[in-house]
Amino acid sequence: DAGVIQSPRHEVTEMGQEVTLRCKPISGHNSLFWYRQTMMRGLELLIYFNNNVPIDDSGMPEDRFSAKMPNASFSTLKIQPSEPRDSAVYFCASSPRSGPPAQYFGPGTRLLVL
Amino acid sequence: AQSVAQPEDQVNVAEGNPLTVKCTYSVSGNPYLFWYVQYPNRGLQFLLKYITGDNLVKGSYGFEAEFNKSQTSFHLKKPSALVSDSALYFCAVRDGGSYIPTFGRGTSLIVHP
Repeated sequence: DAGVIQSPRHEVTEMGQEVTLRCKPISGHNSLFWYRQTMMRGLELLIYFNNNVPIDDSGMPEDRFSAKMPNASFSTLKIQPSEPRDSAVYFCASSPRSGPPAQYFGPGTRLLVL
Repeated sequence: AQSVAQPEDQVNVAEGNPLTVKCTYSVSGNPYLFWYVQYPNRGLQFLLKYITGDNLVKGSYGFEAEFNKSQTSFHLKKPSALVSDSALYFCAVRDGGSYIPTFGRGTSLIVHP
């Protein structure tokens, strides 16, 4: 199994630019989570999808953040416009519909907004 | 509501000694409990879980955790630490009726040679 795939692994952009992060969950998993990790705030849940439908987006910081899951094998997290305080590592995780309800994390995208 | 606490930001232990990383939780229903490990510049990696059954759960890399319902704790343990165990460890809890886990702040484990 290839695991959760995220791209890009690193992104450096300037304030005001649009940033799109991508995630391919593990095949057969029906739940997908986007997290943000910073030293100050630790690991924060941004949004949770179940069967491609957003179930809980209460962690999305503000309207500049949006997430989509057009099909079971792809999700995006978009920041428009980006700000320096968005600099963080963004993780995608997926979880299976049956079996151990653990989460499987991708390698993360390290975002730096200048 | 569900919450989890990892009271130690950092744990230091000498190689070969036993290690314990503490975790306490609060849920309204039956808890699902997890431990994850994060190595530098990597994503979190699942170590072990408690869903039901034996209170002592064995996981990857020789780690184990003990579920204690009366103390609402789920401490991570290993009999003999390795330098390569040095990493950030996260405890997570999920109420049985919820699909979204709550993660602790993480504990940095440093194993000295």
